[in-house]
Amino acid sequence: EAGVAQSPRYKIIEKRQSVAFWCNPISGHATLYWYQQILGQGPKLLIQFQNNGVVDDSQLPKDRFSAERLKGVDSTLKIQPAKLEDSAVYLCASSSDSNEQYFGPGTRLTVT
Amino acid sequence: KQEVTQIPAALSVPEGENLVLNCSFTDSAIYNLQWFRQDPGKGLTSLLLIQSSQREQTSGRLNASLDKSSGRSTLYIAASQPGDSATYLCAASFAGGTSYGKLTFGQGTILTVHP
Repeated sequence: EAGVAQSPRYKIIEKRQSVAFWCNPISGHATLYWYQQILGQGPKLLIQFQNNGVVDDSQLPKDRFSAERLKGVDSTLKIQPAKLEDSAVYLCASSSDSNEQYFGPGTRLTVT
Repeated sequence: KQEVTQIPAALSVPEGENLVLNCSFTDSAIYNLQWFRQDPGKGLTSLLLIQSSQREQTSGRLNASLDKSSGRSTLYIAASQPGDSATYLCAASFAGGTSYGKLTFGQGTILTVHP
């Protein structure tokens, strides 16, 4: 069974530029999560989807971050414009009814 | 506020030792608790998932326990090996939150097993 796929693996941008991350969850997993992990900290949930609907986006900085999961499968997370404090690893995870979450390799973003 | 705390922040042990990593959470109303391993520059690998109705789970040399009444979970690693060196994260899914399934993570314990 293929795991959670993410791309790109690394991205370096200048502040005020925009960036997008892509995630393909495990086949059949209805729930998809985006987490932000700042160096030295545990991951923090940004947004949770159930199929193509948003369940929780309470910690998503909506003035600059957006995410979508149009067909209930793949998802994209966008940042526009980026700030220095957005430098982090962005992790995508998915789960089925068992609620055990499986994580992708992450995208390491550096904002200069 | 629902929080997860891990102690110690870092641990260094010689190969072959048995060790315990600690995780505490502020709200006993949890759906489940999950332990992860994270290698440098990599994503998270799920080690064990304990449902709220369970007291412990075992996988190979790993054993995780859950005590909701005291708000604690422990990860026991038997006969540690250098390959066990990584950051270990625990995460709780709290009931009554804004979403079912959302994980709240601890800061992690950095484990180093030296030969």
